[in-house]
Amino acid sequence: TQLLEQSPQFLSIQEGENLTVYCNSSSVFSSLQWYRQEPGEGPVLLVTVVTGGEVKKLKRLTFQFGDARKDSSLHITAAQPGDTGLYLCAGIQGAQKLVFGQGTRLTINP
Amino acid sequence: DAGITQSPRHKVTETGTPVTLRCHQTENHRYMYWYRQDPGHGLRLIHYSYGVKDTDKGEVSDGYSVSRSKTEDFLLTLESATSSQTSVYFCAIKHGDNNSPLHFGNGTRLTVT
Repeated sequence: TQLLEQSPQFLSIQEGENLTVYCNSSSVFSSLQWYRQEPGEGPVLLVTVVTGGEVKKLKRLTFQFGDARKDSSLHITAAQPGDTGLYLCAGIQGAQKLVFGQGTRLTINP
Repeated sequence: DAGITQSPRHKVTETGTPVTLRCHQTENHRYMYWYRQDPGHGLRLIHYSYGVKDTDKGEVSDGYSVSRSKTEDFLLTLESATSSQTSVYFCAIKHGDNNSPLHFGNGTRLTVT
């Protein structure tokens, strides 16, 4: 079983639509990170959320950390084809050990 | 790239042969990680290192060993490769701060026939 469950695992929508990706766990994390991965490359950090209830915005992307620090969400407003990619959440356990969710493969159709 | 290089980038090997993947960093970061990526599983931690000669197991460590004799190099060894170890392997490095990000290499695609 995956410690971090992401949903949905696949999402295909039209350009201009809004979407939300979820990252859930039964465990508490000191912080959660979101990464984006392009084909043939390693993941790249988008954001780190640290405080329960924290909201961070990165242009059209909004990240939220749950109050209990067990879950997080990524909301994209007015999605664009350039947003296409694999989105991964990661939680920090103990001393510097990061565990990842299964990922959400997002496709934005023009 | 954050000064991290994986080699080889691609490898095909036969079942039962030993395989070593290399991760080299020029950032002098303390923490280094090996993950494998498979469809439907995201990234799963194999082993990680928190200093020279200091390593610990991740969630899928069976069949893998690691060594770190220098700060800059972290080796992943498959003692006797199996078809279930066909995967894309990513190395990552991390600064010591708790919330600092992982910086990934570009991966090694390993096929075990």
